Amino acid sequence: KAGVTQTPRYLIKTRGQQVTLSCSPISGHRSVSWYQQTPGQGLQFLFEYFSETQRNKGNFPGRFSGRQFSNSRSEMNVSTLELGDSALYLCASSLGTGTGTDTQYFGPGTRLTVL
Amino acid sequence: DQQVKQNSPSLSVQEGRISILNCDYTNSMFDYFLWYKKYPAEGPTFLISISSIKDKNEDGRFTVFLNKSAKHLSLHIVPSQPGDSAVYFCAAKVVAGTYKYIFGTGTRLKVLA
Repeated sequence: KAGVTQTPRYLIKTRGQQVTLSCSPISGHRSVSWYQQTPGQGLQFLFEYFSETQRNKGNFPGRFSGRQFSNSRSEMNVSTLELGDSALYLCASSLGTGTGTDTQYFGPGTRLTVL
Repeated sequence: DQQVKQNSPSLSVQEGRISILNCDYTNSMFDYFLWYKKYPAEGPTFLISISSIKDKNEDGRFTVFLNKSAKHLSLHIVPSQPGDSAVYFCAAKVVAGTYKYIFGTGTRLKVLA
């Protein structure tokens, strides 16, 4: 079974621009979660989508948004980029059942650098 | 408010010895805990999990211990191998309803040959 894929792997943008990141989940997984990883901060939860609906949201400003398509693929958008948005953005997929054994599996991440 | 804490940012262990990684949590509603391993330029890889109704779960060289009264869990790796050198994250979740994981800040393990 193919794993979680994320595109692009690396991205360089300048302040004020916007960016769209893409995530394709494992086949059969209906939940996609997005995380931001910065040094010393661990993985900060952005949001989770299930069946095209946002089910949960972390504490990030409205510049961060996402969506999910009918094939469970998800995109994350960041508008008006700031220097502090430079990070590794990870997506994770799972069945989305919410049971204890429903585990999230991560993609390789997109490294975003804002200049 | 850091609900899941990994207070040791790094740990060095000799090959063949035991590695013990620690994690503390504050939310007594967490009912499932997980450990992930992350290599540079890769996403985290699921290692092992434990339900809050258990106090131990074992999978090969990896054992997770949960002490609910102390709100503490630990990951034991025995014997440690150089390939275990990575960043280890613990994560917690409330099974009912929130669908989100809370991650610690990670511990970088270095296994010395």
